[in-house]
Amino acid sequence: ETGVTQSPTHLIKTRGQQVTLRCSSQSGHNTVSWYQQALGQGPQFIFQYYREEENGRGNFPPRFSGLQFPNYSSELNVNALELDDSALYLCALGGGPYNEQFFGPGTRLTVL
Amino acid sequence: AQTVTQSQPEMSVQEAETVTLSCTYDTSESDYYLFWYKQPPSRQMILVIRQEAYKQQNATENRFSVNFQKAAKSFSLKISDSQLGDAAMYFCAYRSARRHAGGTSYGKLTFGQGTILTVHP
Repeated sequence: ETGVTQSPTHLIKTRGQQVTLRCSSQSGHNTVSWYQQALGQGPQFIFQYYREEENGRGNFPPRFSGLQFPNYSSELNVNALELDDSALYLCALGGGPYNEQFFGPGTRLTVL
Repeated sequence: AQTVTQSQPEMSVQEAETVTLSCTYDTSESDYYLFWYKQPPSRQMILVIRQEAYKQQNATENRFSVNFQKAAKSFSLKISDSQLGDAAMYFCAYRSARRHAGGTSYGKLTFGQGTILTVHP
């Protein structure tokens, strides 16, 4: 157990809708990263937040946006959902002695 | 841009035996970290072992050890005395590190495609 929680566990949306995924931890971590993992693939970096500001972004369009709150919880928002957005979304909190990232169990998003 | 390649989509091993998972990476940076993560069917990504690029000594964690060849940009994972609970998808990952006066800043994790490990009783 990494102590990182994500909600919801899974959800189903239709194309064009908007979705908000959440990530939190019992311990404070000043860095949160979000990853998209397509079935059978390795996770792809979406973006990272440090002290409530985005400080790194992968090759994802602006309709993927995020927030980090003072209590270190975080949200991933995706607008105008597309079929290819169907994936497992992982958040990872960092800040250990090696700044290793501790992953949550993920949210499985299905877009119909 | 950094890339990570895992050339073995699937591997299998008998319980109690040893298996080695391969990983190569490409980077022009000199300071970075390498990781092996395990992802069982429960989907939770679990850190197995880490290696700092500036350390020549190979990392070990109980039954898990790595063979880090910096010049060859190779980072393999050896699992000894394999157990049924080791069955999972294994990902090799790279993370850059940049040391400066204010501390160290870390880049994103770049993952390989993964290797599915099956353990036979």
